Amino acid sequence: GIQVEQSPPDLILQEGANSTLRCNFSDSVNNLQWFHQNPWGQLINLFYIPSGTKQNGRLSATTVATERYSLLYISSSQTTDSGVYFCAVGFNRGSTLGRLYFGRGTQLTVWP
Amino acid sequence: NAGVTQTPKFQVLKTGQSMTLQCAQDMNHNSMYWYRQDPGMGLRLIYYSASEGTTDKGEVPNGYNVSRLNKREFSLRLESAAPSQTSVYFCASSVQGQETQYFGPGTRLLVL
Repeated sequence: GIQVEQSPPDLILQEGANSTLRCNFSDSVNNLQWFHQNPWGQLINLFYIPSGTKQNGRLSATTVATERYSLLYISSSQTTDSGVYFCAVGFNRGSTLGRLYFGRGTQLTVWP
Repeated sequence: NAGVTQTPKFQVLKTGQSMTLQCAQDMNHNSMYWYRQDPGMGLRLIYYSASEGTTDKGEVPNGYNVSRLNKREFSLRLESAAPSQTSVYFCASSVQGQETQYFGPGTRLLVL
């Protein structure tokens, strides 16, 4: 079946540290997005990245579609980076076009 | 430009009551979505509308109905609420089905 697995489930960092979050998926994709859910529950889109590499400030993401995984890098972490990071994937199947399947997320806590 | 708005922000229902969650977007997007988020889970798609006039079931459609009222508005109706529908409901939109999704602030629903 369709699977989107994220690791690690929890991550605790000191401010200033770097981290890598991973997303594995079970089939070929036409859509992959990373989201940050802040402690107030708001979901913010970080990247739309079905393949390749993108960077936005201290955040960057890489998707290797042929090997079915994506990585989210956070450098010089800040307390405001705390929250849950979700990977969401859209698969190359006619019956699922337009749908996103979410992983369970990585809970990141950054301490000052 | 308000983005995606949802009403109400919070609602308490008794088992068997009905209600409609409202969602509107002002970004001229074609596709709209309803998700639910349960504790410790990622988001799961309830229904989506690829374009005005069309709706399709997602992963967890049972107990819900939707209406794409016009291009801007997409409502979710619970005809007979059950405690299992206690959740946080998010509406989202995108230009087209396979592009970046933008989320509303969510509706917290408690069914007693």
